[in-house]
Amino acid sequence: QTVVTQEPSLTVSPGGTVTLTCASSTGAVTSGYYPNWFQQKPGQAPRALIYSTSNKHSWTPARFSGSLLGGKAALTLSGVQPEDEAEYYCLLYYGSTQVFGGGTKLTVL
Amino acid sequence: EVQLVQSGAEVKKPGESLKISCKVSGYIFTTYWIGWVRQMPGKGLEWMGIIYPSDSDTRYSPSFQGQVTFSADKSISTAYLQWASLKTSDTAMYYCARQTTDNSGPVEYWGQGTLVTVSS
Repeated sequence: QTVVTQEPSLTVSPGGTVTLTCASSTGAVTSGYYPNWFQQKPGQAPRALIYSTSNKHSWTPARFSGSLLGGKAALTLSGVQPEDEAEYYCLLYYGSTQVFGGGTKLTVL
Repeated sequence: EVQLVQSGAEVKKPGESLKISCKVSGYIFTTYWIGWVRQMPGKGLEWMGIIYPSDSDTRYSPSFQGQVTFSADKSISTAYLQWASLKTSDTAMYYCARQTTDNSGPVEYWGQGTLVTVSS
């Protein structure tokens, strides 16, 4: 069974920069896994942020960016705002199936 | 405006059947995949699978294969997730989401979720 691993929790100060990562149990994450990133706030549906590693949706704030870093997919938030406090999930594609990471709870403190 | 509107919360008993819906608007229903995602209480997102409404082609996660059934009614632009016999462990929030392709395309728009509670 494929497992996708994210940091369980991270803390960042307002205005700071933080990078969340997404690793695959099958090995290095490449662009062929088409990483997607989502933000979910309590009581809300997830919201799409990034697709195909680094592409932003029209509604994605400029401070969010996606990349590949050290064999993992990465989501970087630059100039973090208090409203960025949320759970973040990555999604990787494995041919005909897809797997979510366990999520990272980002605290802005 | 793209919208995915899901049916309301359900309270069921173990062994009962259930079908929840996801009605879409603002785009051509048959040209995008619809995915289903489970979120158990206090837990993360789980990908259940996807369906292509044009021909009802489906992909199930191995974890959900045989446990649920996806379907779609093109005449009313609605996708469905159904259970033949619910278990208490099916208690969760279920989301539908639009996806451009089956194996690479972005998951873009999400429904608001349907809370399913299974309890005796």
